[in-house]
Amino acid sequence: GQQLNQSPQSMFIQEGEDVSMNCTSSSIFNTWLWYKQDPGEGPVLLIALYKAGELTSNGRLTAQFGITRKDSFLNISASIPSDVGIYFCAGRGGGSNYKLTFGKGTLLTVNP
Amino acid sequence: GAVVSQHPSWVICKSGTSVKIECRSLDFQATTMFWYRQFPKQSLMLMATSNEGSKATYEQGVEKDKFLINHASLTLSTLTVTSAHPEDSSFYICSALKVGRYTDTQYFGPGTRLTVL
Repeated sequence: GQQLNQSPQSMFIQEGEDVSMNCTSSSIFNTWLWYKQDPGEGPVLLIALYKAGELTSNGRLTAQFGITRKDSFLNISASIPSDVGIYFCAGRGGGSNYKLTFGKGTLLTVNP
Repeated sequence: GAVVSQHPSWVICKSGTSVKIECRSLDFQATTMFWYRQFPKQSLMLMATSNEGSKATYEQGVEKDKFLINHASLTLSTLTVTSAHPEDSSFYICSALKVGRYTDTQYFGPGTRLTVL
């Protein structure tokens, strides 16, 4: 099926550094979601974006819904070891089609 | 809140047997649930959309007779892997759709690790 282009695939950073990852799509989405998945667990919702141009924060996390509706980014500030995991973006089209299209994920490693 | 549970969290079975996985939305009602499959180091792959009171909608390439889905109540959907074989071993994750007045969001369960010997 269709997938989003998520980058980077992986990141190795030092504790305290800021992180940025993004997703782009050839299709327009009405909703962008960012999830984090720890090993052996299901994805946990971090931030949901419902409006083009929307900028939303959740603690040290900030995400934006691109104005073209074809992209979104997630920033993590002052990273800590527990930020380690796989981050997925997901997009949803409009109407009654509630299916999500997922990015391939960004594996984040934080060195203490 | 929006809590989704799955049971069991892991299961090991012999080839040829059937396995049932439950997905429950604990604090909200969900007329729509989704079943995903995830292979190691890969993204989530949608298998089917489960609709309360009606037949599930399967994605292309997913055998509906092998992966039976039942969504009999607003808080429970089940996935039964029939006549399981080693290639069915995977991480199965469900999600429940929480629909608000203006927004809707999928909340995921913790996943079920299936190993078929």
